[in-house]
Amino acid sequence: EAGVAQSPRYKIIEKRQSVAFWCNPISGHATLYWYQQILGQGPKLLIQFQNNGVVDDSQLPKDRFSAERLKGVDSTLKIQPAKLEDSAVYLCASSLAREQFFGPGTRLTVL
Amino acid sequence: DAKTTQPNSMESNEEEPVHLPCNHSTISGTDYIHWYRQLPSQGPEYVIHGLTSNVNNRMASLAIAEDRKSSTLILHRATLRDAAVYYCILRTGQTGANNLFFGTGTRLTVIP
Repeated sequence: EAGVAQSPRYKIIEKRQSVAFWCNPISGHATLYWYQQILGQGPKLLIQFQNNGVVDDSQLPKDRFSAERLKGVDSTLKIQPAKLEDSAVYLCASSLAREQFFGPGTRLTVL
Repeated sequence: DAKTTQPNSMESNEEEPVHLPCNHSTISGTDYIHWYRQLPSQGPEYVIHGLTSNVNNRMASLAIAEDRKSSTLILHRATLRDAAVYYCILRTGQTGANNLFFGTGTRLTVIP
């Protein structure tokens, strides 16, 4: 069974630039999550989708972050414009039931 | 969200058992206890979960206190590959509420 795929694996940008991350969940998983993990901390949920609808985006900084899940499969997370404090690993996860399966993450560095 | 308390770090010798403690004194009756681990440069991976009874799987065992205010993840024989950050997480049993709230976890070092 293929795991959760994410791209790119690494991204370096300057502050005020825009960036987008892509996630392909495990086939058949209706629920998709985006997490932000700052160095030394545990992952923090940004947004949860059930199929293509948003279940929880209470922790998403909506002035600069946006996410979509068209057709209830792949998802993109965008940051526009980026700030220095956005430097982190962005993790995508998917689930069918209770267990969440995580991708390898995208490491973002904002200079 | 119900919180958990874990030691920041622990060490274990290779091939010896490891007991990773977690306190969750504010757990509610419908909260499940989940454990995930994160190996270096990887996303977290599921280890085990339970509600009231002790649980075993191929990776580990989960011992849950009778009052459910604490639990212990048991790795029966630590290997170098088990070096990771281990997260103890409470997840509500409400339908559709599958969010995981990670703390800072316990960093396990396995000594050869």
